[in-house]
Amino acid sequence: DAKTTQPPSMDCAEGRAANLPCNHSTISGNEYVYWYRQIHSQGPQYIIHGLKNNETNEMASLIITEDRKSSTLILPHATLRDTAVYYCIVTREGYALNFGKGTSLLVTP
Amino acid sequence: EAGVAQSPRYKIIEKRQSVAFWCNPISGHATLYWYQQILGQGPKLLIQFQNNGVVDDSQLPKDRFSAERLKGVDSTLKIQPAKLEDSAVYLCASSLESGHYGYTFGSGTRLTVV
Repeated sequence: DAKTTQPPSMDCAEGRAANLPCNHSTISGNEYVYWYRQIHSQGPQYIIHGLKNNETNEMASLIITEDRKSSTLILPHATLRDTAVYYCIVTREGYALNFGKGTSLLVTP
Repeated sequence: EAGVAQSPRYKIIEKRQSVAFWCNPISGHATLYWYQQILGQGPKLLIQFQNNGVVDDSQLPKDRFSAERLKGVDSTLKIQPAKLEDSAVYLCASSLESGHYGYTFGSGTRLTVV
């Protein structure tokens, strides 16, 4: 599986957009980009995933660069409840998720 | 839909004792995973089941850890004997197919070995 690189921590003001970057320069053509988040004392929660097109759902947007070597998770209007560790994972369909250390996002009032 | 159920929520045991964790996945989810999460780290895959067959157990310490998934539904993870370094949260997750539609995780079992 391709490895990912994420900043260890980020801050965001409440109500502003949170843009979380992820580098995956060794991604293969059949590997998807998944984003999960983990709020304290809970299991990870699925946010969004994509192959090469940008994706949007009720939680977030996923922007994948044309060369697929990096992506950005966008939380359009961050709230205090979005404070969590965010994991970017690259893997093939049918293969298990391998989590790194993720980005710890702190949303401040 | 009901989520992934895990029990117990917390467990404290002494080293060299045995412990078992139980997981009930979402109904109809064929794939089940056990992860170990040590404080400050991301979850680490221990074992993946597809129905009642093992797909990947390459990171399972087989000298002390075992897991089974009878009838392709519930699963148990056992540690025997436990070591101090086994203190962690043990997470169970399930997915409809092998990962494509996203996993649903349970809340985990926090194990403390003293």
